[in-house]
Amino acid sequence: AQRVTQPEKLLSVFKGAPVELKCNYSYSGSPELFWYVQYSRQRLQLLLRHISRESIKGFTADLNKGETSFHLKKPFAQEEDSAMYYCALKLGGGYQKVTFGTGTKLQVIP
Amino acid sequence: NAGVTQTPKFQVLKTGQSMTLQCAQDMNHEYMSWYRQDPGMGLRLIHYSVGAGITDQGEVPNGYNVSRSTTEDFPLRLLSAAPSQTSVYFCASSSPGRGHEQYFGPGTRLTVT
Repeated sequence: AQRVTQPEKLLSVFKGAPVELKCNYSYSGSPELFWYVQYSRQRLQLLLRHISRESIKGFTADLNKGETSFHLKKPFAQEEDSAMYYCALKLGGGYQKVTFGTGTKLQVIP
Repeated sequence: NAGVTQTPKFQVLKTGQSMTLQCAQDMNHEYMSWYRQDPGMGLRLIHYSVGAGITDQGEVPNGYNVSRSTTEDFPLRLLSAAPSQTSVYFCASSSPGRGHEQYFGPGTRLTVT
């Protein structure tokens, strides 16, 4: 079965410092990977997906199949980035259940 | 569009009581799911549906029932509430036409005493 691991429960960084939220997955096939974010008092929402290869709010994530990782990065953290971040995996092709990691709380210190 | 709506926002139950958490979406999404969110556990899938009349179990289905009589609605029933079901419950919908992006409801915070 597929699994998503986010090793850090809490990550604290200073404003302006680089951010890297780690995500590793276990699946031998070709998964689809996502990052979801939950800001305080807001609902979960999609931040980005690996297929799009896009940058959202300055965040990027590259799928590394060799290391089975999908780390989320931002060069300069902003206070408004403070939130809960979840990495999620879906098996490729059609509908498949989505597996979420346990989440990392990012705290940006002013 | 209202997106995904959930009612109630908060609920307190006593052990053994039953209740239904409501979920509705107005985006005509084929797929709907229920998750529970617990500290340190992330989101865990309870039940999901790939269309009206079709449901299946997720990771933690025990103690919960679902049905999907329409595309729009996907209620979650707790048959006999237990303290272990104290959690925040999220409903989500998705569609292949939207790249399977999950659209989440605002959540229901349930406490079972």
